[in-house]
Amino acid sequence: LAKTTQPISMDSYEGQEVNITCSHNNIATNDYITWYQQFPSQGPRFIIQGYKTKVTNEVASLFIPADRKSSTLSLPRVSLSDTAVYYCLVAPDRAGRRALTFGSGTRLQVQP
Amino acid sequence: GAVVSQHPSRVICKSGTSVKIECRSLDFQATTMFWYRQFPKQSLMLMATSNEGSKATYEQGVEKDKFLINHASLTLSTLTVTSAHPEDSSFYICSAFSGGADTTQYFGPGTRLTVL
Repeated sequence: LAKTTQPISMDSYEGQEVNITCSHNNIATNDYITWYQQFPSQGPRFIIQGYKTKVTNEVASLFIPADRKSSTLSLPRVSLSDTAVYYCLVAPDRAGRRALTFGSGTRLQVQP
Repeated sequence: GAVVSQHPSRVICKSGTSVKIECRSLDFQATTMFWYRQFPKQSLMLMATSNEGSKATYEQGVEKDKFLINHASLTLSTLTVTSAHPEDSSFYICSAFSGGADTTQYFGPGTRLTVL
């Protein structure tokens, strides 16, 4: 599985846009990029998944450049409730059937 | 999205006792479920892959006789921590793949185990 690198922590303020970038230089052709959110003492929650270009849903946007060696999770107008750990995962075939390998994640702290 | 539940949400037990944690897929059938463990301030670590009707596959370093996994039906997998010790205290999380057109893996809410 491709290894991912993302910042350990980030700070932001309410109402700001937050962009979390993940590096995955060894991504394979059949790998998908998936982001999960985890609150303290809760299981991870699926946020968004993409293969290339841009994906947007009601929660976030995912930007993937042409070389796919990185990806950026964009959270528009964050609120205090967005304080959580965000994990970037890269795995083949959308990874549903396989166990996921979690990195250290990015701890986002949103201040009032 | 699909829903995965866990029971209990938290459990406190004495050292030497066994604890069973249930993981259920509420609105879909899951031939495969996964069990993870998470220590404070750390990431999730895969413990084992639970396959319906067959033996679980354990990750290196995870004792299969200590962490018994039973996947007796398409909607239920159980993890039993046998002869629990304080070092087994952790947050245990299961996940399941819903299959079909939805290839997302869904996680349960987790179970906090504290061994005294």
